[in-house]
Amino acid sequence: GESVGLHLPTLSVQEGDNSIINCAYSNSASDYFIWYKQESGKGPQFIIDIRSNMDKRQGQRVTVLLNKTVKHLSLQIAATQPGDSAVYFCAENGPRQNFVFGPGTRLSVLP
Amino acid sequence: DGGITQSPKYLFRKEGQNVTLSCEQNLNHDAMYWYRQDPGQGLRLIYYSQIVNDFQKGDIAEGYSVSREKKESFPLTVTSAQKNPTAFYLCASSMDSPSEKLFFGSGTQLSVL
Repeated sequence: GESVGLHLPTLSVQEGDNSIINCAYSNSASDYFIWYKQESGKGPQFIIDIRSNMDKRQGQRVTVLLNKTVKHLSLQIAATQPGDSAVYFCAENGPRQNFVFGPGTRLSVLP
Repeated sequence: DGGITQSPKYLFRKEGQNVTLSCEQNLNHDAMYWYRQDPGQGLRLIYYSQIVNDFQKGDIAEGYSVSREKKESFPLTVTSAQKNPTAFYLCASSMDSPSEKLFFGSGTQLSVL
């Protein structure tokens, strides 16, 4: 992936507000997408996934939206909590491909 | 508890030394992967294995080696040929590859002395 150096994009939200984290993916042939959450010094944790035959998928407090026309993926977190503070990144893969990962967005929840 | 165990959590390498990172899974997954994570960058694939006794190079395999003698284990050796080894290394597994979600271990931070 393209390097953005040491500084990740950061999203700061007030506790209780909704968060929207965006991801542009690169391959129009990709048909499976995952959002991961990674806390400092830990391994990535699966949040939610979506396949290309869907536009939207909901989990507990999270929603993933997929726009194949513009190759865009978003993660919405409802009622953001302090425990949601982490780096969030998307992953894409397609037939006979390995996953490609975005660099991530740092979510900071303000009290 | 089922999961992926990586050890050690922190590892230091001296100049010219080979070091081995351990990855064990008890999820009965066929596929295992090693990724390298550098600050501000997406994960990059080093090696992967879809089945015992078989593995393939990823995007940045130079300076690394792996083995897959058992389904549960996929150790990564960082050789002295890897000139910039400082990074966070993540092991992952999936039920099948490549279209199944990846489960990750907790990572190993490798630093150079």
